[in-house]
Amino acid sequence: GENVEQHPSTLSVQEGDSAVIKCTYSDSASNYFPWYKQELGKRPQLIIDIRSNVGEKKDQRIAVTLNKTAKHFSLHITETQPEDSAVYFCAASKDTGTASKLTFGTGTRLQVTL
Amino acid sequence: SAVISQKPSRDICQRGTSLTIQCQVDSQVTMMFWYRQQPGQSLTLIATANQGSEATYESGFVIDKFPISRPNLTFSTLTVSNMSPEDSSIYLCSVEGQASTDTQYFGPGTRLTVL
Repeated sequence: GENVEQHPSTLSVQEGDSAVIKCTYSDSASNYFPWYKQELGKRPQLIIDIRSNVGEKKDQRIAVTLNKTAKHFSLHITETQPEDSAVYFCAASKDTGTASKLTFGTGTRLQVTL
Repeated sequence: SAVISQKPSRDICQRGTSLTIQCQVDSQVTMMFWYRQQPGQSLTLIATANQGSEATYESGFVIDKFPISRPNLTFSTLTVSNMSPEDSSIYLCSVEGQASTDTQYFGPGTRLTVL
């Protein structure tokens, strides 16, 4: 089955700096890659996603890049703010014709310091 | 996106008992999923709840331990049976997005503590 690795496990940046989180996946058939943000005690919230026919996607301060050849994708957060502090999870899935099952990475705890 | 609710939000249970968690969605969805998130860990898919048929379980999860019901397109339950302290986790349901079926949105979760 699919295996998703995520690095780093923790990341501390100063407010205003950029943060980058990287994930690799094992199944070359995976074609959908979402990123979730989970604040303490809250549900995971989808913040951005990318499909395999696209190399990059941006939404204001966040962007995701995908390298299908290398089987890795990354989350980029620019101009970080304290409210960006949370655990971020990457995930991967493939279209099986029935249900698209998400396999999650191990998570990155991002702390944005003042 | 759909509004998803779960009951209970949290519970403390005794070893050997069972707990049924409910997931309600405000619109009809084809696919519903159940995940487990152990303390400080990532999310692991338990099973896909299929309407009108048995759930599809992932490796390491069995129906006797985690029976699932899906009586209609807006509701599902997950039961954690014969609980042990190792079952202490957050249990989350998720549903597919209405615009895109491979996007998933999560319920608020049920925090279970087994003593």
